[in-house]
Amino acid sequence: QEQLVESGGGLVKPGGSLRLSCAASGFRFSDYYMSWIRQAPGKGLEWVSYITSSGTSIFYTDSVKGRFTLSRDNAKNSLYLQMNSLRAEDTAVYYCAKGPEGYCNGNRCYVASSWLDPWGQGTLVTVSS
Amino acid sequence: QSALTQPASVSGSSGQSITISCTGTSSDVGGYNFVSWYQQHPGKAPKLMIYDVSKWPSGISHRFSGSKSGNTAFLTIYGLQAEDEADYYCSSYTTSSTWVFGGGTKLTVL
Repeated sequence: QEQLVESGGGLVKPGGSLRLSCAASGFRFSDYYMSWIRQAPGKGLEWVSYITSSGTSIFYTDSVKGRFTLSRDNAKNSLYLQMNSLRAEDTAVYYCAKGPEGYCNGNRCYVASSWLDPWGQGTLVTVSS
Repeated sequence: QSALTQPASVSGSSGQSITISCTGTSSDVGGYNFVSWYQQHPGKAPKLMIYDVSKWPSGISHRFSGSKSGNTAFLTIYGLQAEDEADYYCSSYTTSSTWVFGGGTKLTVL
């Protein structure tokens, strides 16, 4: 069945860096857009970023622009989130998810559905001195 | 990218129906039929319950129903069961080509 497994979380000091990975299996990874969503302790969900199937277009929430970089390696069925200049407010469980549904036509990419499923089990990132 | 507005909590008795609202703007909920609802039990990953306003993923009970009117989306749960007690989140696509979640609603089944 479709499965996503995140790794790379841990404790890091403010200003530090961390790279999260998401390993996908059970579906044709290269056909799908992929997303990261985070959840601070005791708080709600916050969308972080998503990348189109070929990696040509990437979108970020304002609070991580310029600090986080999303990428993918379709040959390795893997998604990555490079997080730099980390702040206390980045402390959260980070989930990767398959979706949204979308397609690209030439160099233009479109969203076709709000589908986000499945989700991984999450990896905890703690930013603290 | 302001969060969508959901009630902090709702409750209902077993067997009854409840509705959770999710209010946005014309730049998100009102502008697209790309609204989803997620169920999250404590310590678990979120689970997709409704997508594209009113569609069901495979395996999701049709006791869960989604709808939209203007800038507000709704999740209705019919015939409440104890296992429905969880947090529920809405999400929507936005005109900035980004996504936004609601603040979440805690459902208590009495």
